[in-house]
Amino acid sequence: EVQLVQSGAEVKKPGESLKISCQGSGYSFPRRWIGWVRQMPGKGLEWMGLIYPGDSDTRYSPSFQGQVTISADESINTAFLQWSSLKASDSGMYYCARAPRPGVRGVWGQGTLVTVSS
Amino acid sequence: DIQMTQSPPSLSASVGDRVTITCQASQDISKYLDWYQQKPGKAPKLLIYDASNLETGVPSRFSGSGSGTDFTFTISSLQPEDAATYFCQQYDNLLITFGQGTRLEIK
Repeated sequence: EVQLVQSGAEVKKPGESLKISCQGSGYSFPRRWIGWVRQMPGKGLEWMGLIYPGDSDTRYSPSFQGQVTISADESINTAFLQWSSLKASDSGMYYCARAPRPGVRGVWGQGTLVTVSS
Repeated sequence: DIQMTQSPPSLSASVGDRVTITCQASQDISKYLDWYQQKPGKAPKLLIYDASNLETGVPSRFSGSGSGTDFTFTISSLQPEDAATYFCQQYDNLLITFGQGTRLEIK
């Protein structure tokens, strides 16, 4: 069974750093694009960016370029989303997802709730 | 970026009704479109992939059609458990984008 399991909810203060994770199983993790999707409270879904773990090729959506860092460690089948200095506006639900590609179906993690508050 | 225009933003329908949601892409995306269902507090659930293929385990009352720029998602006979928000998603290239979503309410 293809599965993505994300790290738990986080509560942080503005200015703090954060790295959340997503571990894949049941498929060839290095050979499939995986990425992160943001959902702000009561709002729609936004792809933040993608990474191909096999060669670390990373693509960011224009709105998120420079705001976050996406990485992956194929030795542990895990992708990461990182902030160096959180803002209150980063609060939201973050989903990792195996990216849909021709011939590859999307699969989603359960979500990680990030709360940034002083 | 490819823009996805989804309509309507919300709708209310009765059990047994036929419900249709549309998505229009700003450029040709071939068949590379998914439809998702999201219930409050839950991750999105894949219903339809490649525009018209039903995901395993999804009831047959859900269907999708279209190619190029115009796509349709249909629930043939609405059930109470179908109350949710529905999203389309295009993946013609690596700048994947979603429609704005349709909130479906059961009367």
